[in-house]
Amino acid sequence: QQQVKQSPQSLIVQKGGISIINCAYENTAFDYFPWYQQFPGKGPALLIAIRPDVSEKKEGRFTISFNKSAKQFSLHIMDSQPGDSATYFCAASYRGGADGLTFGKGTHLIIQP
Amino acid sequence: DVKVTQSSRYLVKRTGEKVFLECVQDMDHENMFWYRQDPGLGLRLIYFSYDVKMKEKGDIPEGYSVSREKKERFSLILESASTNQTSMYLCASRPQGDGGYTFGSGTRLTVV
Repeated sequence: QQQVKQSPQSLIVQKGGISIINCAYENTAFDYFPWYQQFPGKGPALLIAIRPDVSEKKEGRFTISFNKSAKQFSLHIMDSQPGDSATYFCAASYRGGADGLTFGKGTHLIIQP
Repeated sequence: DVKVTQSSRYLVKRTGEKVFLECVQDMDHENMFWYRQDPGLGLRLIYFSYDVKMKEKGDIPEGYSVSREKKERFSLILESASTNQTSMYLCASRPQGDGGYTFGSGTRLTVV
């Protein structure tokens, strides 16, 4: 049973464009929704996170949009750059992640120069 | 620079061997986690620990055990390695209360 569904599996975006990755969750008890960025040979690194009491959070070029009624959240990368090329994972958890994160399967993002 | 250090970057072990994967964090974090990462499957939680001597099963604990004798160290043990345990293993830590995870760079284990 996959509790967090992520799409697309892979994405190619031109430099300067907007990259959009979507996730849907099933468990309404989830209260913490982070996004992680992973470069080859490295562990995932926290990019940005949101809690369900807000509908949007922005940090620099990265924005999370959250739709509680639809049980969906998405990552938007504005002005995408070649250095953003990486694998992105959405995740969800209870208690802020103390019991572990449930991850989506990942999106391989390529930004073409 | 705070970090999570995994002792081995690559390991090759034989089927049936007992394998120890070590993880050390220098951030005084209470929570520690072991995940495995497989292509197309994302990251799956094996075990986690709230504090010293404590351990909880994650989503896929079968074939694994853990040990946490000191706050900074969390070990993953494969009691009898099998080929289906060939994977990338990632350790992470998190402070009590709130905060994101800090991951190590991973140990790529191959069981032959």
